[in-house]
Amino acid sequence: SQKIEQNSEALNIQEGKTATLTCNYTNYSPAYLQWYRQDPGRGPVFLLLIRENEKEKRKERLKVTFDTTLKQSLFHITASQPADSATYLCAPEGVVDTGRRALTFGSGTRLQVQP
Amino acid sequence: DAGITQSPRHKVTETGTPVTLRCHQTENHRYMYWYRQDPGHGLRLIHYSYGVKDTDKGEVSDGYSVSRSKTEDFLLTLESATSSQTSVYFCAISDQGAANEKLFFGSGTQLSVL
Repeated sequence: SQKIEQNSEALNIQEGKTATLTCNYTNYSPAYLQWYRQDPGRGPVFLLLIRENEKEKRKERLKVTFDTTLKQSLFHITASQPADSATYLCAPEGVVDTGRRALTFGSGTRLQVQP
Repeated sequence: DAGITQSPRHKVTETGTPVTLRCHQTENHRYMYWYRQDPGHGLRLIHYSYGVKDTDKGEVSDGYSVSRSKTEDFLLTLESATSSQTSVYFCAISDQGAANEKLFFGSGTQLSVL
């Protein structure tokens, strides 16, 4: 069955450092992979989408990589700030029970940036 | 939250009672989704709709039904709530329903079934 693994333990880093979050997936061949940010008590908010033929995607201080051989995506936040503290969800395209291709979500990694 | 309103925001109910959650959007998007979020499980798709009166099941649809009588409203009903349905429920919308399209989420409904 399809499985998404994100580190369930919180990642604690110092302000100004680069945060790197990992998303591993098995039994998938996603053509797309998305990353979302979720703050406590709020719904997820879209950050970035990367396609299978793209190795890397950047948006301001954010960078996402997509390695289809390793079946892994890395999410980087450079020059991290306390305001970056949140839970980050990985969402590769997968197949839902009806056979339709749709986004599937990992359980997320909580990032805590210390001032 | 991109013109998406979920109601109620919080609800406590008893086992065996029916519960209806409402999602209202002002974006005129074709696709609407209901997810539940539980610790360690991520977001799981319950049902989705691709138009008025057009709905389909997601991966965890047992015990849930949905209805969409207007483009802007998508209702999720628990016919007879059970404790295993205690969760945070999120509504999401998208325009085309493609996997390369981003989803916009509401703020969620915290449901507790006692």
